[in-house]
Amino acid sequence: QVRLVESGGGVVQPGRSLRLSCAASGFTFSSSGMHWVRQAPGKGLEWVAVVSYDGSNKYYADSVKGRFTISRDNSKNTLYLQMNSLRVEDTAVYYCAKAEQQLVSSWGQGTLVTVSS
Amino acid sequence: AIQMTQSPSSLSASVGDRVTITCRASQGIRNDLGWYQQKPGKAPKLLISAASSLQSGIPSRFSGSRSGTDFTLTISSLQPEDFATYYCLQDYNYPLTFGGGTKVEIK
Repeated sequence: QVRLVESGGGVVQPGRSLRLSCAASGFTFSSSGMHWVRQAPGKGLEWVAVVSYDGSNKYYADSVKGRFTISRDNSKNTLYLQMNSLRVEDTAVYYCAKAEQQLVSSWGQGTLVTVSS
Repeated sequence: AIQMTQSPSSLSASVGDRVTITCRASQGIRNDLGWYQQKPGKAPKLLISAASSLQSGIPSRFSGSRSGTDFTLTISSLQPEDFATYYCLQDYNYPLTFGGGTKVEIK
């Protein structure tokens, strides 16, 4: 059973940084690509970033490129999202998700990030 | 980036109704599309991958199809537990892009 548990969300001021983590279990983490997807309050889903199974390939949404960094530690079965230069419009629930080929398949429960002064 | 235009944005339907939701891609994406269901306060759930492949454990009243760059999610007989918001997602290339969502409400 795939289990994904996000942590690290909270309230942060604009311009500051935050790092999200996602602990994975129930599947072979080191063989799976992983995504981050976010959802602003009352809005639709927005894909954020993906990392390949070995960390060698990464892609980002234009809205976060240059500010966010996705990474993984396969020895710890953990996915990360380093978020720098945060903006009010980054306020959202952030979900980590397992990739099936490129598609977003299994999702965590999400962690809320609020960017506010 | 590929744009996914989803329609309608909302609909009202009754239990037992047949419901159809459409996503149109701004360019060809082969069959590289998934459909998701999201209930309030919950994470989305993958219903269909590769345009028409039903995921394990998903009821057979859900189906997906493709005609060119138009993709359709059909619920053959709406059940009370199906009232939710539905999204499509193209995974043809990066950046992945979602449709705007369709909220299915009780009539």
